Amino acid sequence: SQELEQSPQSLIVQEGKNLTINCTSSKTLYGLYWYKQKYGEGLIFLMMLQKGGEEKSHEKITAKLDEKKQQSSLHITASQPSHAGIYLCGAVTTSGTYKYIFGTGTRLKVLA
Amino acid sequence: DTAVSQTPKYLVTQMGNDKSIKCEQNLGHDTMYWYKQDSKKFLKIMFSYNNKELIINETVPNRFSPKSPDKAHLNLHINSLELGDSAVYFCASSQGDPRGNYGYTFGSGTRLTVV
Repeated sequence: SQELEQSPQSLIVQEGKNLTINCTSSKTLYGLYWYKQKYGEGLIFLMMLQKGGEEKSHEKITAKLDEKKQQSSLHITASQPSHAGIYLCGAVTTSGTYKYIFGTGTRLKVLA
Repeated sequence: DTAVSQTPKYLVTQMGNDKSIKCEQNLGHDTMYWYKQDSKKFLKIMFSYNNKELIINETVPNRFSPKSPDKAHLNLHINSLELGDSAVYFCASSQGDPRGNYGYTFGSGTRLTVV
């Protein structure tokens, strides 16, 4: 099973709507990263969260790390077609040694 | 069974050496990728192959050469290693081509240290 569960796997929203993508770990997180991939391009770094309760924003995208729940959520406010793409969470966890794990990605489509 | 396996997991080598990192996926995916994670944990794509064909080739030194003998394997060969090549390299695979999302599966990474 995935060590980092990402949901939903795909999402279609109308332009202007808000949406949330979740990333849940079965292990303690020591760092959580959000990336975005535009179609045909590589992964673009969005933000990194390290402390429990930490919240960061980048334009209309906000991510929060809930360390107790071992979960992070990515929230997009008033979505636009430019937000379309694949969102991927990655994390650093440890069970003896540091380990990097990734979610499977969420495909977002925004309908104009 | 490991879905995407990279070998070796750790690699320590001297400057100027040539080394290879191997990647194999048993998921039947069509597309494979190599990413480099820098010191700030940014994942940067290096190469992507779809059915053995190179489709993404970002600006990386030509000392880096990918080789895909079949769609289940994507190896990364690095010539004349430099100190700045030290990083964690990730292999990944996905079904379909990079323009869609059918779910990424990442390998566990290869930590390369050049001394």
